[in-house]
Amino acid sequence: NAGVMQNPRHLVRRRGQEARLRCSPMKGHSHVYWYRQLPEEGLKFMVYLQKENIIDESGMPKERFSAEFPKEGPSILRIQQVVRGDSAAYFCASSPFLAGESTDTQYFGPGTRLTVL
Amino acid sequence: KQEVTQIPAALSVPEGENLVLNCSFTDSAIYNLQWFRQDPGKGLTSLLLIQSSQREQTSGRLNASLDKSSGRSTLYIAASQPGDSATYLCAVRLGSSNTGKLIFGQGTTLQVKP
Repeated sequence: NAGVMQNPRHLVRRRGQEARLRCSPMKGHSHVYWYRQLPEEGLKFMVYLQKENIIDESGMPKERFSAEFPKEGPSILRIQQVVRGDSAAYFCASSPFLAGESTDTQYFGPGTRLTVL
Repeated sequence: KQEVTQIPAALSVPEGENLVLNCSFTDSAIYNLQWFRQDPGKGLTSLLLIQSSQREQTSGRLNASLDKSSGRSTLYIAASQPGDSATYLCAVRLGSSNTGKLIFGQGTTLQVKP
């Protein structure tokens, strides 16, 4: 069973451009989480999605950031008009979690390292 | 607001030593607690997950304990090896059942010297 896949692994953008980060969850997982790790900081939750639904976006910046998890294809984290402060490692995690299930370990991908010039 | 703190921030030990990493959280209403390992430039690897009803979990040379009432967890690493060098992260899942988001500590960076 392939693990969580993220691409690209490294992404360089100039200020004002758009960044698209992709995450393919583990096979059979329908729950996806995005986290951001800023330099010298811990991981911070951004958004939790199920197929075609955003469940919790309490950690998403109010502007420029959006996420989706379509019925087919990977989850996408989109950052419009990037600024230098967006430079960070973005991690995706997936889980087979079902409501009421006790086993809900999150499996993390290798991350996408975004550098904004 | 749940806050997770890890002490120490960095630790350097000689090979073979037993060591303890500490994690504390401010709100005891957690669903579970998870320990991860992160290697430089890499993703996170789950080491141990402890449900709120459990006191400890063991995997090989690793043992994690949970004292929910006092808001503490420890990760015990026995007979440390240079390959254990990494950053160890503690994360709690909040007690609410409709979201699985994790709240992370800042991590403890461990260096095991040969």
